[in-house]
Amino acid sequence: GDSVTQMEGPVTLSEEAFLTINCTYTATGYPSLFWYVQYPGEGLQLLLKATKADDKGSNKGFEATYRKETTSFHLEKGSVQVSDSAVYFCALVSGGGADGLTFGKGTHLIIQP
Amino acid sequence: DGGITQSPKYLFRKEGQNVTLSCEQNLNHDAMYWYRQDPGQGLRLIYYSQIVNDFQKGDIAEGYSVSREKKESFPLTVTSAQKNPTAFYLCASSRGTGATNEKLFFGSGTQLSVL
Repeated sequence: GDSVTQMEGPVTLSEEAFLTINCTYTATGYPSLFWYVQYPGEGLQLLLKATKADDKGSNKGFEATYRKETTSFHLEKGSVQVSDSAVYFCALVSGGGADGLTFGKGTHLIIQP
Repeated sequence: DGGITQSPKYLFRKEGQNVTLSCEQNLNHDAMYWYRQDPGQGLRLIYYSQIVNDFQKGDIAEGYSVSREKKESFPLTVTSAQKNPTAFYLCASSRGTGATNEKLFFGSGTQLSVL
């Protein structure tokens, strides 16, 4: 079945540092890939997505490129802020997708001033 | 404003008690979902519904039940058969299913704890 693997957290960085959160996937066919973000006590919000190989999703300074050859969708940001502290989930939908998205376990990001 | 509303935000369950979590959406979405979130385990699918009066079990449906009598409502009942119900429960919806199911909209969640 489909699966998503993310790097273990928590990831702790200083403000203005470069961020990478690794995500790799296993799926049938050609999945669509997503990054969702969850702030404390809230639901998830879509951060960015990519629907085919070599697509780059971007939003709020975050970027991720759909790499079919390495089955990866790593999240990057050039200069993080304290307000970026949250839990980040990589996810995919493939095939019929009727049962929703398959999520990774989430990576807790902590940005220190 | 359109969105998904979950209530209550916090809920406490006594031993042997059934409790119901509410989820309402005014986005006119066909598909709705219930996820359970435990620390370090990400989101796991409990039940999902693609259309009114129809729903399917997800990966961890045991000890839970749902109904979908109206398009905008998808309540989740945590029954006494669920022995470890303490978790954060998230409801989500999407415009369609299958190839159009590309973005989920989430509610703000319900934290369920056992007394």
